[in-house]
Amino acid sequence: DTGVSQNPRHKITKRGQNVTFRCDPISEHNRLYWYRQTLGQGPEFLTYFQNEAQLEKSRLLSDRFSAERPKGSFSTLEIQRTEQGDSAMYLCASTGRGSVYEQYFGPGTRLTVT
Amino acid sequence: GNSVTQMEGPVTLSEEAFLTINCTYTATGYPSLFWYVQYPGEGLQLLLKATKADDKGSNKGFEATYRKETTSFHLEKGSVQVSDSAVYFCAFNNAGNMLTFGGGTRLMVKP
Repeated sequence: DTGVSQNPRHKITKRGQNVTFRCDPISEHNRLYWYRQTLGQGPEFLTYFQNEAQLEKSRLLSDRFSAERPKGSFSTLEIQRTEQGDSAMYLCASTGRGSVYEQYFGPGTRLTVT
Repeated sequence: GNSVTQMEGPVTLSEEAFLTINCTYTATGYPSLFWYVQYPGEGLQLLLKATKADDKGSNKGFEATYRKETTSFHLEKGSVQVSDSAVYFCAFNNAGNMLTFGGGTRLMVKP
């Protein structure tokens, strides 16, 4: 399967714990995006990378959130000191040089903070 | 600011009925427009797109036309099937960066 993959698919954690999610984009896609989707809403942009450079961050991305893409391939999104309001689906998408405007999404990681 | 407004659901139709889901956007410049679909338990899939005014995107019997004068991108299908039941998201992408999504419209098609 050459699609975007995300791990884990589900994560349940207690408030105050740290969590980390991983996204593997489509091979050779140079842009990688993170979004957050709460129940009944559309996805909201969090941040994106071009290769290993983080080029833009939403104001939704508080200082408890950090994202990396160290080798320009997979990316991680870490949330420190989780809060119940962080409960959401975290989506990753990637796009390649030949189709800058078409983003391909992974299945998402559903986070539940208890 | 940038935003997408789409009709609230759920939209409930009988099989073979005509579908319209309205979408309007507020954006600077000349965005590309998209419809994404999310089937139950699955991730977002690109359904169709249009990159300039008057372009018509189409796929799987769905169509949408980029109307710059009314800043709209309404989704239509002439005859829906039960398998079209899903949540549909209208979105735009300006300058090759992040997507701005509407809130989604749930479509339920009954046999």
